[in-house]
Amino acid sequence: GAVVSQHPSWVICKSGTSVKIECRSLDFQATTMFWYRQFPKQSLMLMATSNEGSKATYEQGVEKDKFLINHASLTLSTLTVTSAHPEDSSFYICSAPHEGGNYGYTFGSGTRLTVV
Amino acid sequence: AQTVTQSQPEMSVQEAETVTLSCTYDTSESDYYLFWYKQPPSRQMILVIRQEAYKQQNATENRFSVNFQKAAKSFSLKISDSQLGDAAMYFCAYYSLDSNYQLIWGAGTKLIIKP
Repeated sequence: GAVVSQHPSWVICKSGTSVKIECRSLDFQATTMFWYRQFPKQSLMLMATSNEGSKATYEQGVEKDKFLINHASLTLSTLTVTSAHPEDSSFYICSAPHEGGNYGYTFGSGTRLTVV
Repeated sequence: AQTVTQSQPEMSVQEAETVTLSCTYDTSESDYYLFWYKQPPSRQMILVIRQEAYKQQNATENRFSVNFQKAAKSFSLKISDSQLGDAAMYFCAYYSLDSNYQLIWGAGTKLIIKP
């Protein structure tokens, strides 16, 4: 089945540094990738939608300059948290629709980011 | 706007028993898809079951089945013969062809399995 590989699984970084999270579609072409943030015991909150070869669409309230999304190829989308601060600590998940979304969405395994 | 509501923050069931998780949604669309996703402690999201709105027949996947009531905009998940491995957060989600592939999520229900 469709697989999205997400790395790293967890990362600890110092405040002020940047962290890049990668999501690769291994056996299908992901023209669209959704990036979510999930707080403990809460549902997924959509941050942005990336489309291959075009600028990402950010949800209201999400800082574009802090959360840089790049979708340069049909198999790779990246999220870079720039100048990270402790409040950016969270669980980040990527997801891509396959078969047009009608058959479901494939999720990466998530990245737990801790900013110290 | 489309919304998805899961009114049960937490449910518990005895192992081998049956449990039903509720989900209601609001939409003006006639063609859409509904999903139940499972998120175990590993936090990997796993598709449990999907339902196309145009199909009257309720979807079934082994021990998991849904009760899809289109007029009532209800989409409940029934888990039969509950197993310890079913313990997880369960999220109901909606997707419309006009939503630019975006999934609309419910708040989730934490399912506890009692041995």
